[in-house]
Amino acid sequence: GENVEQHPSTLSVQEGDSAVIKCTYSDSASNYFPWYKQELGKGPQLIIDIRSNVGEKKDQRIAVTLNKTAKHFSLHITETQPEDSAVYFCAASLGGSQGNLIFGKGTKLSVKP
Amino acid sequence: DGGITQSPKYLFRKEGQNVTLSCEQNLNHDAMYWYRQDPGQGLRLIYYSQIVNDFQKGDIAEGYSVSREKKESFPLTVTSAQKNPTAFYLCATIAGGRGTGELFFGEGSRLTVL
Repeated sequence: GENVEQHPSTLSVQEGDSAVIKCTYSDSASNYFPWYKQELGKGPQLIIDIRSNVGEKKDQRIAVTLNKTAKHFSLHITETQPEDSAVYFCAASLGGSQGNLIFGKGTKLSVKP
Repeated sequence: DGGITQSPKYLFRKEGQNVTLSCEQNLNHDAMYWYRQDPGQGLRLIYYSQIVNDFQKGDIAEGYSVSREKKESFPLTVTSAQKNPTAFYLCATIAGGRGTGELFFGEGSRLTVL
């Protein structure tokens, strides 16, 4: 079946450094790629998303890049802060349906003060 | 406030018992989803419903059942046929019936089988 691979599974950075999380997807029909942040004991929250007709999107300290040819997309967080510490999930849509998402296994980001 | 309410937040169940998790939304969203989350794993789709009185199986539907009698409600029943039910269950909604908007998640229900 289709899948999404996410790396690394854990990431520790110093406050102020950048963090990069990478994902690879298998479904060539995927056209929607959201990133979610999940804090302990809570539901995931969308932090940024990108569609297949765009190569890069930025929102303040967060950016996402997409390489459709290579089926790669990445999350970049600059100037990290302790409140960025959480588990981050990438996802890819199954075909054209944004609701049917395949999720990566998550990256636990720790930002040390 | 508009949002998704899942209850109960924590639930303990004995083996062999069925249990129903509630998901209610007042966002007026058409589509609703149930995902299961296990430690160190991504979210896996159990069931989804794009309109009232209609639902489809996701990747791991075995041992689960759902109903969609009202637009606002999409309860999930974990039956005794589910061999490993201990997990964190997340309900989500999306505005468009064909999934054309952002997926919003509830706060989750943690089920533990004793």
